[in-house]
Amino acid sequence: DTAVSQTPKYLVTQMGNDKSIKCEQNLGHDTMYWYKQDSKKFLKIMFSYNNKELIINETVPNRFSPKSPDKAHLNLHINSLELGDSAVYFCASSQVGREQSYTFGSGTRLTVV
Amino acid sequence: EDQVTQSPEALRLQEGESSSLNCSYTVSGLRGLFWYRQDPGKGPEFLFTLYSAGEEKEKERLKATLTKKESFLHITAPKPEDSATYLCAVPIRRGGATNKLIFGTGTLLAVQP
Repeated sequence: DTAVSQTPKYLVTQMGNDKSIKCEQNLGHDTMYWYKQDSKKFLKIMFSYNNKELIINETVPNRFSPKSPDKAHLNLHINSLELGDSAVYFCASSQVGREQSYTFGSGTRLTVV
Repeated sequence: EDQVTQSPEALRLQEGESSSLNCSYTVSGLRGLFWYRQDPGKGPEFLFTLYSAGEEKEKERLKATLTKKESFLHITAPKPEDSATYLCAVPIRRGGATNKLIFGTGTLLAVQP
């Protein structure tokens, strides 16, 4: 009965590889997000999708490409991984007009070696 | 520019020693302020939403308060299980409907028995 689920939880890969992270929510929310948490625990938004439409793209390198096949899913594909991409990536969802509905997944720890 | 600042960065308390965490914000048109708790290896977990100056919310040993420029999270007689990173965030509306959250850098609380 997990509300926002991400896979995988851990991802270790070499520089230059391409990888994807998947996210699914079963809360019926219409908006989904990707956040990045750096080594200092600072959380910053990357993307937001509302009803499968990209709404927010916070100056993220175009090596990062989100895809939302439907309202309940938001995936993140990363091309040509770099050392600086190492971080924890969180998926979240919310319902428009209900800010308190914001719910986060448990995160994907990406390590690029 | 919208900004959220938390202090202290880290706080070590003895069990039963009450204290407060601070979150100051600079936001045009505040639409709420959120407090989250984050445990290691997990996503942020919602604690409180505050909407207007003077508002207070309580949950067990935690009480959150809000003024026009800052919020406090008061911890009364903390226990070791209260150890976590506490994050505050404000929602910013973009794209007409979608909210992104601007986070502070968090306060790492350690409560020693």
